[in-house]
Amino acid sequence: QVQLQESGPGLVKPSETLSLTCTVSGGSINSYYWSWIRQPPGKGLEWIGYISYSGNTNYNPSLKSRVTISVDTSKNQFSLRLSSVTAADTAVYYCASLYGANWFTYWGQGTLVTVSS
Amino acid sequence: EIVLTQSPATLSLSPGERATLSCRASQSISSYLAWYQQKPGQAPRLLIYDASTRATGIPARFSGSGSGTDFTLTISSLEPEDLAVYYCQQRSNWPPIFTFGPGTKVDIK
Repeated sequence: QVQLQESGPGLVKPSETLSLTCTVSGGSINSYYWSWIRQPPGKGLEWIGYISYSGNTNYNPSLKSRVTISVDTSKNQFSLRLSSVTAADTAVYYCASLYGANWFTYWGQGTLVTVSS
Repeated sequence: EIVLTQSPATLSLSPGERATLSCRASQSISSYLAWYQQKPGQAPRLLIYDASTRATGIPARFSGSGSGTDFTLTISSLEPEDLAVYYCQQRSNWPPIFTFGPGTKVDIK
């Protein structure tokens, strides 16, 4: 079974860039699409964007100007960069696989990123 | 942008009772709808996709129905472990944008 694990700093300063990596195990990243989703504390889910194994990307229009998702097939990893962060970007960030480019099948456990000075 | 609304916001039922959760889309999405369960402190888990197909390993007490703009998730007989928030999710055709509903919290009495 595919497993995903997020990693990266848990604290980021305002105006800086948030960087997270998702490591995929139990399956090849050369299948499916791969996505990032976030959830502010006590709130609902927000899709950030996705990337295919070949590098095609699509982002949430509300975040598009600040988001970059990349993939490293040699390491079975994909990554998220979110620039110019503010307190509103404080959230649990999940990575997930995207089955048939429609549904989020496998999820990482999530990692809390706090934006604070 | 397609907006999903869910009702009720909270549902409080006893074990063994039937739970009916609603998700409404602001425009027709055919059957392109999924349901997720998020237990406290956990990541969401895919329950239902294509409106009515159970994901692998999901118990038969969970079922989905609907098409167009109105969808329903039914839990036929609540178990204590079904305490969770349930989200619906859709993918718009083009550009492919994914949106989630605000969620329905299911409390077990």
